[in-house]
Amino acid sequence: AQSVSQHNHHVILSEAASLELGCNYSYGGTVNLFWYVQYPGQHLQLLLKYFSGDPLVKGIKGFEAEFIKSKFSFNLRKPSVQWSDTAEYFCAVTRNSGNTPLVFGKGTRLSVIA
Amino acid sequence: DADVTQTPRNRITKTGKRIMLECSQTKGHDRMYWYRQDPGLGLRLIYYSFDVKDINKGEISDGYSVSRQAQAKFSLSLESAIPNQTALYFCATSDPLTASSGANVLTFGAGSRLTVL
Repeated sequence: AQSVSQHNHHVILSEAASLELGCNYSYGGTVNLFWYVQYPGQHLQLLLKYFSGDPLVKGIKGFEAEFIKSKFSFNLRKPSVQWSDTAEYFCAVTRNSGNTPLVFGKGTRLSVIA
Repeated sequence: DADVTQTPRNRITKTGKRIMLECSQTKGHDRMYWYRQDPGLGLRLIYYSFDVKDINKGEISDGYSVSRQAQAKFSLSLESAIPNQTALYFCATSDPLTASSGANVLTFGAGSRLTVL
């Protein structure tokens, strides 16, 4: 079965610091990859996605992620975080072969301090 | 109005009670899902449905049942609630244009917070 590992449970950064959140998945075939964000008290929203093509994908609010197939990784990055980026971030994967629902990682809580 | 509406938003109940969480969507998506969120455990799939006649168990279906009453409605039931079912429950739908390729872009509801005493 697929699994998704997010290495950091809680990350605390100062404003303007750079961010990288790790995500690794276990499935060896072709995959689709996602990062979702959950702001405090809200539901999950799509941050960015990778289906195919350029392995560096850009999402909303200045976030980007790089798919490295050889490392089974899809790390999320942002050059300079803001206080409003405080949220929980979830990596998710699904097989690109049809009818399999998304499998989510356990999430990484990001706290940005002023 | 929200694309995916969940009711109730909050519910406190007692052990042994039957609880139903409802989800309705206006996006016209065929695929609907119920996830459960627990702190430190992320989202885990309870059940999913790819069309009105299709119901599939997810990772943690024990203690839950679902009903797909129509394309737009997908309800989750706890026949006899227990305290470890205290969690935040999310309904989601997926984009029919991308779902067939496995690229399930999910649209989530606002969540239903259930507390079982």
